[in-house]
Amino acid sequence: NAGVTQTPKFQVLKTGQSMTLQCAQDMNHNSMYWYRQDPGMGLRLIYYSASEGTTDKGEVPNGYNVSRLNKREFSLRLESAAPSQTSVYFCASALASGVTDTQYFGPGTRLTVL
Amino acid sequence: GENVEQHPSTLSVQEGDSAVIKCTYSDSASNYFPWYKQELGKGPQLIIDIRSNVGEKKDQRIAVTLNKTAKHFSLHITETQPEDSAVYFCAASATGSQGNLIFGKGTKLSVKP
Repeated sequence: NAGVTQTPKFQVLKTGQSMTLQCAQDMNHNSMYWYRQDPGMGLRLIYYSASEGTTDKGEVPNGYNVSRLNKREFSLRLESAAPSQTSVYFCASALASGVTDTQYFGPGTRLTVL
Repeated sequence: GENVEQHPSTLSVQEGDSAVIKCTYSDSASNYFPWYKQELGKGPQLIIDIRSNVGEKKDQRIAVTLNKTAKHFSLHITETQPEDSAVYFCAASATGSQGNLIFGKGTKLSVKP
């Protein structure tokens, strides 16, 4: 049982390049989330998917798109990367969309945009 | 919307001492308050959580207290050990959005041997 996995672990992009961050969970969870973590800012929600087939914006969605490919996978796409998107990105999943469900986090992707 | 304030931002204690981290929240309708521990280079991991119908919860050396009237909750770690050194995040459930959490900005705890 791998839990939540993320690829890649590290990535360096040039301004304007695009890329997709991949996330998968094997816990049969319904809800999935993408966060970014910046120094001194804590974790901020980018997008979430309460269930397969649905996605919604979080606190900081600008510059990102997401796809809930199936129940297991939730990807985050940067269409035209900017230096302000340099951050550590975490994917998380939870059993259901209820507010009391524990969120389990992946190991993160460290992204640098030059 | 919900806002979560966390203090202190850094905390240094001697091994064996207790550590206390405090958080306040703004939305009185929030009903779930988890605490996460993040070790260097890893993702956050849940260590304890509390729901609004409970005032205190303990798990070995870790305890969380909740004061709904004052809208604050605290993490207490007793008999600290060097392996407790990490960044700790509190969070509160965001009402009106499904399953979302609002996180504090974190506390870096250092336990000196």
